[in-house]
Amino acid sequence: DAKTTQPPSMDCAEGRAANLPCNHSTISGNEYVYWYRQIHSQGPQYIIHGLKNNETNEMASLIITEDRKSSTLILPHATLRDTAVYYCIVRVAGGSQGNLIFGKGTKLSVKP
Amino acid sequence: DSGVTQTPKHLITATGQRVTLRCSPRSGDLSVYWYQQSLDQGLQFLIQYYNGEERAKGNILERFSAQQFPDLHSELNLSSLELGDSALYFCASSPGTGGNTGELFFGEGSRLTVL
Repeated sequence: DAKTTQPPSMDCAEGRAANLPCNHSTISGNEYVYWYRQIHSQGPQYIIHGLKNNETNEMASLIITEDRKSSTLILPHATLRDTAVYYCIVRVAGGSQGNLIFGKGTKLSVKP
Repeated sequence: DSGVTQTPKHLITATGQRVTLRCSPRSGDLSVYWYQQSLDQGLQFLIQYYNGEERAKGNILERFSAQQFPDLHSELNLSSLELGDSALYFCASSPGTGGNTGELFFGEGSRLTVL
């Protein structure tokens, strides 16, 4: 699975959009980008995933560059409850092994 | 609530002892995954079971073992415990092998403290 690089920490003002970047320059054509988050000591929570098209759901939007070497997770209106560690993971979908390999992630602090 | 249940939530034990952590996956999910999260190591994948069979193995120590039972619940056994085994242990489940969507559903974890 391709490696990812994320900033260790970011701050965001409450009510503003939080844009979390992820570099995955060695991504292969059949690898998806997944985003999970972990709110303090709770179990990680799935947010969104995509292959090459931009994706949006009720939680967030995922923007993947055309060359697929980087992506951005966007939380459109961050709240204090969005304070968490956000993990960007790149992995082949459709395989027989579903385990995800978590890196260090980005610690997002949403401030009032 | 992810639908994944882990027990116990907290466990304190002594070095050299053995403990068993239990996980009930979401209804209908066939795959169970175990992860360890300690302060200095982050989330480490330990092992995956699919419908009772071991499917993938990560950084699981020989002192640790797991199994998935016919009713699909899983147990993680940790023996000869050391101070460094103190960590949060998470269980996750997915409908199939997990390969199709990559979405895993995590439980709230079992916090193990070894004194």
